[in-house]
Parts: sequence; C-alpha cells; structure tokens
Amino acid sequence: NAGVTQTPKFQVLKTGQSMTLQCAQDMNHNSMYWYRQDPGMGLRLIYYSASEGTTDKGEVPNGYNVSRLNKREFSLRLESAAPSQTSVYFCASSAGTGYNEQFFGPGTRLTVL
Amino acid sequence: GQSLEQPSEVTAVEGAIVQINCTYQTSGFYGLSWYQQHDGGAPTFLSYNGLDGLEETGRFSSFLSRSDSYGYLLLQELQMKDSASYFCAPWMDSSYKLIFGSGTRLLVRP
Repeated sequence: NAGVTQTPKFQVLKTGQSMTLQCAQDMNHNSMYWYRQDPGMGLRLIYYSASEGTTDKGEVPNGYNVSRLNKREFSLRLESAAPSQTSVYFCASSAGTGYNEQFFGPGTRLTVL
Repeated sequence: GQSLEQPSEVTAVEGAIVQINCTYQTSGFYGLSWYQQHDGGAPTFLSYNGLDGLEETGRFSSFLSRSDSYGYLLLQELQMKDSASYFCAPWMDSSYKLIFGSGTRLLVRP
C-alpha cells in the first residue's frame, strides 16, 4: 500500500517548456487535489477532482490543466512553464464526501529557469 | 472573503506545552483541520474538529469555537521531533476543499 505517489521528484524546466506531473493513489479514494507550496505561502489549491470524471478550479488555476485519467490517477500539466511556477507541487487524495483528511504525496520540486 | 491567521513562529522547550492559535473568516465553514509538515516533507493530518470543544489524540489536542471563529492546537510533552510547521485548515462547505494558511513554524529547543 504505497498511498499517494508522485513523479518526478525533481524537475528543472526552461521557460516555455511543457511537462506533466503524475499522481496516483491506491486507497480507492474518490477525491484528488493538486496544491503548490511556495516558501512562506502555505499550500494553495490549483485544481481538484471531487470524483472520477469531474475537475474544478481551485485558488490558483491559471497556467495549469488537469486530467482525472481514472479513479487512481490525476495529472497536472504545465503547457508553457514560467519562472513564477517554480514551487513544490503536492498531490493529495481523500475518501470524498464527508471526509476531510487528505493524504499527501511526497511532492515534486519544480524549478523553471 | 476568506482569511486565516496563525502566528508565524513559536519556540518552546522540550517537555513543555505549547498552544498554536488560529482565527479564520470563511464562508460555508464545516470544521477545522490541523496538519503537520516537517521540513522537506509532505503535510500529514493531525486532527479535525467538526463540533465545538476539545478533541484529544495522544499528546495533541485541538479545540474549536465556532462562535469565535477560533481554534487552537495544543501540543503537550514537547519532543524534538515536534519541530515542524503546523497548518490550520478550515474545511469549506460541500466542495471538499481545505483552505491552508501560511502555517506556524514550531521550534523545540533542548
């Protein structure tokens, strides 16, 4: 039981490049989330998926797209990376309705030059 | 609008008790969660208050007062491993969203 896994762990991009961050959970959770964490800023919600087949914008969605590929997987895509997107990205999942405990992956540390 | 306030840093001595306060202003409030994050690590769930009052889990307790839009996390018998950042996170309406503040960095000294 791996919980929430994320790939890659580290990534360096040049401005304008694109990439996809992968996230998978093996807890049969309904809801999944993508956050970014900048130094001193706490966690900010980028997108979330309340259940398979649905996605919604969070607090800071600009510059990102997401895909809920199936119940296990939720990916985050940066189409044209910008230095302002340098951050640590966390994926999380929760059982869904009525459950507020979120389980986080180890994070992806992204640097955009 | 929404706002969250926590102290940015707290320092305490090993074995002592420390209280981390959180005041919030949100719409559609359901309850208050607390998460712990060690440097370089991922946040982990500590506790949740859906009702007013005190919830106890081992050395950690969490309190909520809805009428005051206020909560706190109480850590007893502090250990060095408790040095971490602590986030209060109001749970918002039925959208399954948590709102995280900037967190409180706790430093436990010997």
